[in-house]
Amino acid sequence: NAGVTQTPKFRVLKTGQSMTLLCAQDMNHEYMYWYRQDPGMGLRLIHYSVGEGTTAKGEVPDGYNVSRLKKQNFLLGLESAAPSQTSVYFCASLRMGNRGSETQYFGPGTRLLVL
Amino acid sequence: GNSVTQMEGPVTLSEEAFLTINCTYTATGYPSLFWYVQYPGEGLQLLLKATKADDKGSNKGFEATYRKETTSFHLEKGSVQVSDSAVYFCALTELQGAQKLVFGQGTRLTINP
Repeated sequence: NAGVTQTPKFRVLKTGQSMTLLCAQDMNHEYMYWYRQDPGMGLRLIHYSVGEGTTAKGEVPDGYNVSRLKKQNFLLGLESAAPSQTSVYFCASLRMGNRGSETQYFGPGTRLLVL
Repeated sequence: GNSVTQMEGPVTLSEEAFLTINCTYTATGYPSLFWYVQYPGEGLQLLLKATKADDKGSNKGFEATYRKETTSFHLEKGSVQVSDSAVYFCALTELQGAQKLVFGQGTRLTINP
């Protein structure tokens, strides 16, 4: 199993450009999440999905859109990138089970620089 | 809302020193509590977790006890190694709904030989 993979690993954008970050998981997990990590602020939830075809806003959704057309993929889109979106983006998926076995598995991250 | 507060970093210790990283939380109900670790250039890995009061999570020599009375989940290790150098995140998740994680700000730990 590859676990959770993210594409690309690193990207540089100019202000106003658009791009899509891809997250894929091969563990048949129902739930998937996008976080951003900024210095001194931990990880903050952008959007999440509880199943194929469903998405919901997290703590910091502005400027981002997501889609979950297939269970194994969760896409994060930036329609018009801004310097404030310079960050490291992490995708995660969740294995559900009895209480006590909930574990989120994280991808390796995508480093995005917006100039 | 729910929140997690970790001790300020960075923390620098010598090899074989005792480690404590403080974590306190604010939450409604009884969340599950986690410690995640991020090694340089990598994503987050689950280090340990606890799901109810007085539970102790442990892994790789690290321990943390779910203290409901003090709303704390402090991370400890008796003798740290250079390989423990990483960023450590305390987090909680709600029992219901989408199991969203709420993270502390992270504590960077550096162990010198």
